Amino acid sequence: AQSVTQPDIHITVSEGASLELRCNYSYGATPYLFWYVQSPGQGLQLLLKYFSGDTLVQGIKGFEAEFKRSQSSFNLRKPSVHWSDAAEYFCAGPSGGYQKVTFGIGTKLQVIP
Amino acid sequence: ETGVTQSPTHLIKTRGQQVTLRCSSQSGHNTVSWYQQALGQGPQFIFQYYREEENGRGNFPPRFSGLQFPNYSSELNVNALELDDSALYLCASSLDRGQGGYTFGSGTRLTVV
Repeated sequence: AQSVTQPDIHITVSEGASLELRCNYSYGATPYLFWYVQSPGQGLQLLLKYFSGDTLVQGIKGFEAEFKRSQSSFNLRKPSVHWSDAAEYFCAGPSGGYQKVTFGIGTKLQVIP
Repeated sequence: ETGVTQSPTHLIKTRGQQVTLRCSSQSGHNTVSWYQQALGQGPQFIFQYYREEENGRGNFPPRFSGLQFPNYSSELNVNALELDDSALYLCASSLDRGQGGYTFGSGTRLTVV
């Protein structure tokens, strides 16, 4: 089945350090992919999306992601993390059609002073 | 532009009971998707409604049912509640089935005792 995988369940970074969250996908054709962020007890907020074209996608809150077909990856990056970025991050992609978006298990980001 | 509103925010039900969760979609959106998020997990797709018709369903039993109204708001009904139904239920609205990404509500926290 088509899916996305987030290999890191929990990541800790220092405030001001760079961040990279990993996402791998398994799709035959070029997928469309998303990154969402969820603060505790809240719904999910769309950070960015990729459909086609430029493989480097800019999102909100200073995040970007790069689609790499050769590595089947869509990693999320931020050059300098702020304490307010502490949250859970979900990669998502289609499964059996774009009406059925599948989410990864999530990566919980902790930011330390 | 209004966001996605879900009600109630919290709910406690007894095993075997029935529950109805409600969702008002974002203005201009014609698609509503429902997700179940168990503690520590990513959201799991329940089903999607597009222009009042079911447009895809995940691996959930028939006791999970839904409805979308002419104003594109939606209901999720769960019959014969089980303990494992305890979760955060998320509603996401989108335009034209969601290829552009979803706008999520804050969710309804359902506890079955």
